[in-house]
Amino acid sequence: KAGVTQTPRYLIKTRGQQVTLSCSPISGHRSVSWYQQTPGQGLQFLFEYFSETQRNKGNFPGRFSGRQFSNSRSEMNVSTLELGDSALYLCASSQAPGQYTDTQYFGPGTRLTVL
Amino acid sequence: QKEVEQNSGPLSVPEGAIASLNCTYSDRGSQSFFWYRQYSGKSPELIMSIYSNGDKEDGRFTAQLNKASQYVSLLIRDSQPSDSATYLCAVSLKTSYDKVIFGPGTSLSVIP
Repeated sequence: KAGVTQTPRYLIKTRGQQVTLSCSPISGHRSVSWYQQTPGQGLQFLFEYFSETQRNKGNFPGRFSGRQFSNSRSEMNVSTLELGDSALYLCASSQAPGQYTDTQYFGPGTRLTVL
Repeated sequence: QKEVEQNSGPLSVPEGAIASLNCTYSDRGSQSFFWYRQYSGKSPELIMSIYSNGDKEDGRFTAQLNKASQYVSLLIRDSQPSDSATYLCAVSLKTSYDKVIFGPGTSLSVIP
C-alpha cells in the first residue's frame, strides 16, 4: 500500500506571496492532519480534517487554512507569507479519529523557505 | 503545564545498553499514545501505539503506559548506533476532540 505523499517536496517563496501544499493520504484513510515543524518549536498542530470537515484547529493565525476533498486528499494554504513561516510542513493520515483508528502515518514533508 | 512533556535530552547511552525515554501528559482522559522516531531531516516514523495500561513489546522496543500516573515510556533494549535519533511522544487529547499533540522530543545518541 502506498504511503502518504506530499507535493511539492521543496518550495522557495518570498515574503507576501501565498503557497498551497498538497497531501494524499494512505488509501482508505479519511483523516488528515497538518503539522509545522521548526527547530525551535518542534511539531506544532495546524489542523485536522475528516470527511471534508475541519475537526480541530491549532493556534495559528488565519493566514493558515486548509481543506479536504471527497477523495480525502488535502491541501493547506498559507497567504501573505512571513519569514517565520519557513519550516517543514508535515501531513499525517489516519483511518479515522478515535481510539484504535487514530494512528498517524507521516508523509515526507514539504520544506518551505521564505526569503 | 504543557499538554505533553518529554525530557529534552540529549540522552547518551553506550551501544548495547537500554535507553529509557519518558513522557508525561496533562489530559487524564487521553486514550491513545504513540511513539515516533525522527532522524535528522526526515519525517517522523511510527514505532508503536499503545492504548491500555501495561507493557507492549515490539522487537527491541517496549512501551509502558500508566494512565493513573499519566506517563508513557519507551525502552530500547540492546541500543544500536542506528537508534540515534529524536524520539517523539504523541497523545490524543480527549478534551480536544482527540487532537494528537506531540511532545518536544528527546534526542538519543547511542555511542559505539
